[in-house]
Amino acid sequence: EPEVTQTPSHQVTQMGQEVILRCVPISNHLYFYWYRQILGQKVEFLVSFYNNEISEKSEIFDDQFSVERPDGSNFTLKIRSTKLEDSAMYFCASSDQGMNEQYFGPGTRLTVT
Amino acid sequence: KQEVTQIPAALSVPEGENLVLNCSFTDSAIYNLQWFRQDPGKGLTSLLLIQSSQREQTSGRLNASLDKSSGRSTLYIAASQPGDSATYLCAVGAGAAGNKLTFGGGTRVLVKP
Repeated sequence: EPEVTQTPSHQVTQMGQEVILRCVPISNHLYFYWYRQILGQKVEFLVSFYNNEISEKSEIFDDQFSVERPDGSNFTLKIRSTKLEDSAMYFCASSDQGMNEQYFGPGTRLTVT
Repeated sequence: KQEVTQIPAALSVPEGENLVLNCSFTDSAIYNLQWFRQDPGKGLTSLLLIQSSQREQTSGRLNASLDKSSGRSTLYIAASQPGDSATYLCAVGAGAAGNKLTFGGGTRVLVKP
């Protein structure tokens, strides 16, 4: 069964460093998403992406964040200058149509020290 | 602003009992509602998606209902098994493209053998 994959599973970085989280969505999907879950808190929407552009973003997704689909298979989330409060589990998701079921990857745990 | 609430936060039942999980949301202008399962430290597994025009969706032992006007959804799991122990999350889809998911805090379920 097709699935969303994410790498790395765990990333440790120092405050102020740039990180890139990578995702491979399900191959025939057209809509891509990033969510995050701070430990003990709700899953929060960050951004949705369709047709090579951002379709919606939350107030969390400020200028420090960016997304890219560098090729036909990868979808990346970049955080330019990490802060302690960026420590969270980051989930990538994809769907075939905008309002259809979203399939989530296993997540990348980001720890900022 | 959409708020999604799941009560209770935790639930413990003996094996074989039916599970009833509740989800409420404040803004009825949703496109869909999705139920997920999350195992500790893992990603989200999609269980069911109900479109806003539907009242009910079934998959095996799972049945989910949606009452948009009252802002409620219920997930029923029949004949619970220890393997059903997990956290169950509901998420409502809204936003400009209808695919921005807003999550509840989840119900942590323990099924005792």
